[in-house]
Amino acid sequence: AQSVTQLDSHVSVSEGTPVLLRCNYSSSYSPSLFWYVQHPNKGLQLLLKYTSAATLVKGINGFEAEFKKSETSFHLTKPSAHMSDAAEYFCVVSGGNNDMRFGAGTRLTVKP
Amino acid sequence: DAMVIQNPRYQVTQFGKPVTLSCSQTLNHNVMYWYQQKSSQAPKLLFHYYDKDFNNEADTPDNFQSRRPNTSFCFLDIRSPGLGDAAMYLCATSRAGAGYSNQPQHFGDGTRLSIL
Repeated sequence: AQSVTQLDSHVSVSEGTPVLLRCNYSSSYSPSLFWYVQHPNKGLQLLLKYTSAATLVKGINGFEAEFKKSETSFHLTKPSAHMSDAAEYFCVVSGGNNDMRFGAGTRLTVKP
Repeated sequence: DAMVIQNPRYQVTQFGKPVTLSCSQTLNHNVMYWYQQKSSQAPKLLFHYYDKDFNNEADTPDNFQSRRPNTSFCFLDIRSPGLGDAAMYLCATSRAGAGYSNQPQHFGDGTRLSIL
C-alpha cells in the first residue's frame, strides 16, 4: 500500500522569498514520486518526477525536490517565489501498475 | 504539440439528463484515465482503460460509464446526473507496459460540469 501526506493545506509566501511545500510518503515498494501544479480551472501540469535516479530532481519553472528515503520525504522547493506560482500543488506517489495516489494538495498564495 | 484535449470545457445539464464528456489525445498513450475533482479536493480516480481493458474503481457509482472506441478517444457517460455529480472531470493519459514503469500522467484542462 502507498500513500502521501502533504503536511500543509495552505502556504503563504511573499514574492521573491523561498517556497517550501512538504510531502511525506509511505510505500511498500521503491516508489516513484511526482509533483503536479494546478492553476484555477486548468488541468494538472507535471512539475517534476523522481524515479530512483538522482535524489535531487530539478523541474520546470525553477522548482526542485529532494528524495530523502530516511525521512520518507519529497519536499518541493523554489528559491524565489513569483506571483505566477500561486496555485494548488499535488504530491503523488506511484508504486507501479498505474496506481497513483494523490496527496490532499497544498494551496500556495504569493503576496506582492 | 502533443496533448490531451477535453471538450467541452464547460457543460451544463439538467438533473437526471444523460451527459457525455469527451477526451482525445495525440500522445498515442495506451492508458487513459477519468478523474472527478470537487472544489478544493484532490482528483479522485473513477476508472481507467489499459489498452482496451476497462478498470473500474471499487467506489465509482454505477451512474458513471466509459467508452474507448479507439486509442485516441475516451468518453465519460453520466447516465442520470445528480446534484452531487457537479465537479471538474479530468482526463489523463500515460504510457504503460514493458520498459514504461511509473510513467507520469498527462492531464487535459478538464470539463467543469454543472447540474441544474
